[in-house]
Amino acid sequence: QQPVQSPQAVILREGEDAVINCSSSKALYSVHWYRQKHGEAPVFLMILLKGGEQKGHEKISASFNEKKQQSSLYLTASQLSYSGTYFCGTEEAGAQKLVFGQGTRLTINP
Amino acid sequence: DAGVIQSPRHEVTEMGQEVTLRCKPISGHDYLFWYRQTMMRGLELLIYFNNNVPIDDSGMPEDRFSAKMPNASFSTLKIQPSEPRDSAVYFCASSRASATYEQYFGPGTRLTVT
Repeated sequence: QQPVQSPQAVILREGEDAVINCSSSKALYSVHWYRQKHGEAPVFLMILLKGGEQKGHEKISASFNEKKQQSSLYLTASQLSYSGTYFCGTEEAGAQKLVFGQGTRLTINP
Repeated sequence: DAGVIQSPRHEVTEMGQEVTLRCKPISGHDYLFWYRQTMMRGLELLIYFNNNVPIDDSGMPEDRFSAKMPNASFSTLKIQPSEPRDSAVYFCASSRASATYEQYFGPGTRLTVT
């Protein structure tokens, strides 16, 4: 079942922070985050395994709340290069594959 | 190292024609995935292979779609006959360790069926 991402779109000024959420109604084993720039392929950012783990990638970090089946991606002091569409991919327990959300389009303006 | 290679990058065909998309995964990657991306449905997994063997094809839309992986360095996705609703960007991705490990996506093939 496809996870739900929110918001669908967000517009920021350079230097501002953003949070993108991903939630599922299924028990999850892991959550993956990818970023896709317009006209390009998705690029892997990070994986979070169940256990409430938090990871970081430059100024981008994420958390995974396995009790709520939710993950959040945090972008701090956003840069122009952060613009793109962010996808979460969820792995249900035992599924051995990812199901991607609809994506959140992030626009960073100067 | 070369990334995932897909060909063609763009394909325009008429309804009813056969379409073959090609993919070369990253050397040493045991998993290969075919995805389809549209505005309406997002990024959908069609099928994936492990060591050239199809593991999950539950995402293949219908019998018009077929995929093969004759060896570790080549895979095809075929649509016959093609329909306008098949218009989408088709991505191939590969992964080293498991079906849910970091996936490396190819540049995609933009298919337009008129």
